[in-house]
Amino acid sequence: DSGVTQTPKHLITATGQRVTLRCSPRSGDLSVYWYQQSLDQGLQFLIQYYNGEERAKGNILERFSAQQFPDLHSELNLSSLELGDSALYFCASTGSNTGELFFGEGSRLTVL
Amino acid sequence: DAKTTQPPSMDCAEGRAANLPCNHSTISGNEYVYWYRQIHSQGPQYIIHGLKNNETNEMASLIITEDRKSSTLILPHATLRDTAVYYCIVGLTIGAPAGKSTFGDGTTLTVKP
Repeated sequence: DSGVTQTPKHLITATGQRVTLRCSPRSGDLSVYWYQQSLDQGLQFLIQYYNGEERAKGNILERFSAQQFPDLHSELNLSSLELGDSALYFCASTGSNTGELFFGEGSRLTVL
Repeated sequence: DAKTTQPPSMDCAEGRAANLPCNHSTISGNEYVYWYRQIHSQGPQYIIHGLKNNETNEMASLIITEDRKSSTLILPHATLRDTAVYYCIVGLTIGAPAGKSTFGDGTTLTVKP
C-alpha cells in the first residue's frame, strides 16, 4: 500500500460526457502528479501540482483540467470524452527531494 | 530530461540474478537515474535511484558506469513475483524529480520457473 488513494477504481461512461477522478496523496506530501497510460503507450505525464499550485504541465489535452485543494487532494477533470481517452489514470505523490514517487492503484476509464 | 533506451523484453530463470540494462548517454551531471517497476496494471513502484555511486537496497542493486552513460539494475535472486515492466528514467531530484518524465516503454522482465 503506497498510501496514495484514487477513486473511482473503474469508470465506464459515454463519449461526450465529463468525469472527475480523485486522488488523495500520502499524508504530508505536497506534490501530486497525474499520468495517463493507454494500452499502446507508456505512462504519459499530464500535470503536476505543488501545494495547490500548478507546477508543471506535460501532454495534457485542453479538454482535461486538474486542481489541488487546500487539503492537498487533487482532482482530474476530463470533459467531452472521446473513445481514445479510455486509459488508466494514475496519480502519484512525493514529499521529498529524493525523487521517489508513490503511485496510487489507478482509475480505469472506459469510454464507450 | 535525458532520454533512456532499454531492451523491450528479457527472460530470467527463477532464483537467478536478473540484470536489466539502460542507456542514458545524454544524461547531465546533476541528473539521477531512477528505476521503477509496474506489475501488470498496478501503480508503478519505486525500486532504487542513484547519481554516481553504486547503490543497493533491499530490493535491488544499481550499477552506474563511470561515465554515467549507462546503468544496470540487478535483482539478485529473481522470483516469479518480479515479473513486471521495469522503467529506467533520469531526472533531477529537486523540485520536480523524475515525475515530469514520460516513463517510456521499459523492459518487460519475465521470470520463468
